[in-house]
Amino acid sequence: EAGVTQFPSHSVIEKGQTVTLRCDPISGHDNLYWYRRVMGKEIKFLLHFVKESKQDESGMPNNRFLAERTGGTYSTLKVQPAELEDSGVYFCASSQEALQGYEAYEQYFGPGTRLTVT
Amino acid sequence: AQSVTQLGSHVSVSEGALVLLRCNYSSSVPPYLFWYVQYPNQGLQLLLKYTSAATLVKGINGFEAEFKKSETSFHLTKPSAHMSDAAEYFCAAGGTSYGKLTFGQGTILTVHP
Repeated sequence: EAGVTQFPSHSVIEKGQTVTLRCDPISGHDNLYWYRRVMGKEIKFLLHFVKESKQDESGMPNNRFLAERTGGTYSTLKVQPAELEDSGVYFCASSQEALQGYEAYEQYFGPGTRLTVT
Repeated sequence: AQSVTQLGSHVSVSEGALVLLRCNYSSSVPPYLFWYVQYPNQGLQLLLKYTSAATLVKGINGFEAEFKKSETSFHLTKPSAHMSDAAEYFCAAGGTSYGKLTFGQGTILTVHP
């Protein structure tokens, strides 16, 4: 079974440019999450999709970030325009439908996309 | 609000020595607790989880963790470190907001010969 995949693995862009990150969750996982780790800080939650709907986007930093999940499959996270403070590692995770409460938190992570804004 | 604190951003042990990585949580409700490990250039891998079924939880690669409510702790241990255990370890908590994990700052474990 394929794991969570993310593309690209690295991206270097200039301030003001646009970048789109992609995440393919494990097949059949309805729940998809985005997290971010800024250098030296903890991994922080950005948002949560259930199928194609946004369940919780309380962690999105500002309106320069736009996440979509077309058809409840893969997801994209677009940053437009990018700022220096957006640099970090963006992780995607997925989990199956939670039949028991803890299953929503048993998440499988991708390798991350390292974004550098110069 | 939920928070997770990992004491020590770097821990260094000798091969064969005990590994102890500390994690404390702060939560208004009993949380679900997890330890993840990240090897270089890989995603986070689930080591073990506490879901209130048992306070002593065994995970992969010989790791285990004990949930202590009185101490609000969930420390990760392994009796004998191996070189392959060198990685970054993350403690995480869930339960207050559906699906949302709160992470500690991470602890880099170095194992030297």
